[in-house]
Amino acid sequence: AQSVTQPDIHITVSEGASLELRCNYSYGATPYLFWYVQSPGQGLQLLLKYFSGDTLVQGIKGFEAEFKRSQSSFNLRKPSVHWSDAAEYFCAVGARHSNYQLIWGAGTKLIIKP
Amino acid sequence: EAGVAQSPRYKIIEKRQSVAFWCNPISGHATLYWYQQILGQGPKLLIQFQNNGVVDDSQLPKDRFSAERLKGVDSTLKIQPAKLEDSAVYLCASSIGTGDADTQYFGPGTRLTVL
Repeated sequence: AQSVTQPDIHITVSEGASLELRCNYSYGATPYLFWYVQSPGQGLQLLLKYFSGDTLVQGIKGFEAEFKRSQSSFNLRKPSVHWSDAAEYFCAVGARHSNYQLIWGAGTKLIIKP
Repeated sequence: EAGVAQSPRYKIIEKRQSVAFWCNPISGHATLYWYQQILGQGPKLLIQFQNNGVVDDSQLPKDRFSAERLKGVDSTLKIQPAKLEDSAVYLCASSIGTGDADTQYFGPGTRLTVL
């Protein structure tokens, strides 16, 4: 069955520290991979996406993610977090054969310590 | 460029009442999605429209939920009658079409509380 797993429900990091949010997927076809961020009371905003090509993808707000096919992972990273990065982060997977419908992880809530 | 608009932002109703949500997608976007997001979970697709036709409504509880997209632009999602478990944020998203480069753009959502 197709699924997306974000193993960490919450992550707490200090401001200025590096960040890595994990995402693992189970998908039969070549996936398209997305990371979205949701701030309190806000809709979901796309951070970055991977369709093909370079497996290291750069996104907005200084985020990047690396697609590792052998590990079925698409982890999100940022070298130095800011207090404004506190939000919930969702990983999602889609594919052409499923009308590009997205299967979503349960999200990881990022808490920033001052 | 204007984003996806949704209204109302918040709604509180009692169980067995009816409620409707409205969505105006980004201009020119052919595909429109309605999602239900329960607290602590990722979004769950309820229905996907391509222009004014339904692409997938397999996860829409059709005994109480209905959705339409007249003229292929705005869309409404209705719940009648509401149950306690319908308390959630209802998100509308749109994309240019169903293509490899498509990105779904989300509205701010409508937070529904059913008492």
